[in-house]
Amino acid sequence: DMKVTQMPRYLIKRMGENVLLECGQDMSHETMYWYRQDPGLGLQLIYISYDVDSNSEGDIPKGYRVSRKKREHFSLILDSAKTNQTSVYFCASSWTGGFAEQFFGPGTRLTVL
Amino acid sequence: GDSVTQTEGLVTLTEGLPVMLNCTYQTIYSNPFLFWYVHYLNESPRLLLKSSTDNKRTEHQGFHATLHKSSSSFHLQKSSAQLSDSALYYCALSGTGNTRKLIFGLGTTLQVQP
Repeated sequence: DMKVTQMPRYLIKRMGENVLLECGQDMSHETMYWYRQDPGLGLQLIYISYDVDSNSEGDIPKGYRVSRKKREHFSLILDSAKTNQTSVYFCASSWTGGFAEQFFGPGTRLTVL
Repeated sequence: GDSVTQTEGLVTLTEGLPVMLNCTYQTIYSNPFLFWYVHYLNESPRLLLKSSTDNKRTEHQGFHATLHKSSSSFHLQKSSAQLSDSALYYCALSGTGNTRKLIFGLGTTLQVQP
C-alpha cells in the first residue's frame, strides 16, 4: 500500500516553542520533500532530501531544519516557532528522476499563537 | 530561473461547461517535464497528468493537456465540468538541471456550480 503519512495532523503551539513534524513513507523512495501551502502562494519547497543525511535547502528554508536518518522517515523541525510559520505543511516522496511523480501526505495544519 | 505562471485565483464555472486552466512556463532546459497536480479539499495533492513530449495530448480522468514547447504552455482542459472537479489545481515544472525539484505555480481554484 503506497502511502505517505504525517504526524500530527493538527498542532497548536505558542510562539517560541519548538515544533517537530514527522513524515513517513513505505515506498522506499530516495527523495523526500517538505512543502508549506499558504493561500495564494501555492506549494513552496522548504527542504528536499535526496537520501539519508543528504539534505538540501529549498526555496524557503529560513527558520526550518530537517533530519533524515532512515530512508523512510523525514522530519521537519521548527526551533522557536514564529507566528508567520502558521501554515499547512505537506511532506512528499518520489523515486529518482525529474519525471517522477511526487506522492503527498495528508498534511499537518500548524497554528502558532 | 525556472518559473510557472497559471490562471490566477478562482475560476468559477457552471456544470457542463468546458474547463480550461492556463499554464505557461519558463526554463532554459530544452526537455522540461510538466505536471498537473490536483488537490481536493481534505485530501492529499496528487498527480493528475504529466508530459515531456512536445505536441502530444495526455489524458487522465477526463482531463487532457498538451505540451507545446513553441509557446511554453501546458494548459489543462476538460470538455464538460462536473461538480466533483471543484479543487485546487497546480501546474508544475521540472526543468533546468533535473534536480528532482518541482517548480509549482501559485495554483488555480476551480469551483463548479450547479
